[in-house]
Amino acid sequence: GENVEQHPSTLSVQEGDSAVIKCTYSDSASNYFPWYKQELGKRPQLIIDIRSNVGEKKDQRIAVTLNKTAKHFSLHITETQPEDSAVYFCAATPGSASKIIFGSGTRLSIRP
Amino acid sequence: DAGVIQSPRHEVTEMGQEVTLRCKPISGHDYLFWYRQTMMRGLELLIYFNNNVPIDDSGMPEDRFSAKMPNASFSTLKIQPSEPRDSAVYFCASSSMEQVWYFGPGTRLLVL
Repeated sequence: GENVEQHPSTLSVQEGDSAVIKCTYSDSASNYFPWYKQELGKRPQLIIDIRSNVGEKKDQRIAVTLNKTAKHFSLHITETQPEDSAVYFCAATPGSASKIIFGSGTRLSIRP
Repeated sequence: DAGVIQSPRHEVTEMGQEVTLRCKPISGHDYLFWYRQTMMRGLELLIYFNNNVPIDDSGMPEDRFSAKMPNASFSTLKIQPSEPRDSAVYFCASSSMEQVWYFGPGTRLLVL
């Protein structure tokens, strides 16, 4: 079955700097790659997603890139702000398109 | 739409007791998922339904766990008997064929 690996597990960056989180997946049939942000005590919420027919997608300070050949995708946050502090999860859907497998999460801390 | 609704939000029970968690998916969504989140294991998929039918329950830890979806607007996850290691946050999520998953607020379960 699908396996999603996420790195790093923790990340601390200075406010204003960029943060990058990387994920790899195993099932070449996976076609949808969402990213979720989970603040302390809250539910995971979708922040951006990308489908396998697209290489890059951007939404303000957040961007996601996908390399299907290498089976990896990344989240980029630019000009980080204190409110970006949270746990971020990458995910992938296997070919069945109905089951989502999450990475282990990255705890991002923004230093003032 | 009110989003995915879960109840109760918090549950404290004693080992050996039966626990029932409830979920109401977003109207029109035909997929429903139950996840468990712990520090050690992250977000684990327990079971998911499509059109009220259980599709994959391979993530259900053991026979003490059972899930039902009697209609399109209601699902339950039952633990009988509960054990301290079942303490976790249980999330329900729903989606449609567009593959965007929406999570409920979660039920924080503590088994003493």
